[in-house]
Amino acid sequence: GENVEQHPSTLSVQEGDSAVIKCTYSDSASNYFPWYKQELGKRPQLIIDIRSNVGEKKDQRIAVTLNKTAKHFSLHITETQPEDSAVYFCAAAFNDMRFGAGTRLTVKP
Amino acid sequence: DADVTQTPRNRITKTGKRIMLECSQTKGHDRMYWYRQDPGLGLRLIYYSFDVKDINKGEISDGYSVSRQAQAKFSLSLESAIPNQTALYFCATSDTTGIVDPETQYFGPGTRLLVL
Repeated sequence: GENVEQHPSTLSVQEGDSAVIKCTYSDSASNYFPWYKQELGKRPQLIIDIRSNVGEKKDQRIAVTLNKTAKHFSLHITETQPEDSAVYFCAAAFNDMRFGAGTRLTVKP
Repeated sequence: DADVTQTPRNRITKTGKRIMLECSQTKGHDRMYWYRQDPGLGLRLIYYSFDVKDINKGEISDGYSVSRQAQAKFSLSLESAIPNQTALYFCATSDTTGIVDPETQYFGPGTRLLVL
């Protein structure tokens, strides 16, 4: 089955800096790659996703890139703000979805 | 997202007890999922259902069973609870009507389960 690895497990940045979280996946059949944000005590919520026929997608301060050949994808957050502090999960899916272990992002004011 | 609800929100039970967690959705979505979340392990899929008659095991189905009573309801049962099933459980839904690829999953608020 699919295996998703996510790095780093924790990330601390200064407000205004950029943050990058990277994921790799094992199943070349996976064709959908969402990113979820989970604030403390809350449910995961989708922040951005990308499909296998697209190499990059942007939504304001967040962007995701996908390299199908290398089987890795990344989340980029620019101009980070304290409210970006949360746990971020990547996932890869074909029929079912497998999640990475998560990255705890802390943005220091 | 009030369209996906889970009951109970918190539950404490004892080893060996049978327990059921319930999920309901008003989104009209066809697919429903059960995940468990453990610190440092992310979200792991327990079972998923493409429709009322189609139920599939996820990566960690041992010790769990499910029932899709209607399109809007998906229950997770622990037949004989054990302490290592202590976790946060999330239900999720997605709408794939007419679409082959999996779609965005919408999560319920979670059920925190403690097995003593």
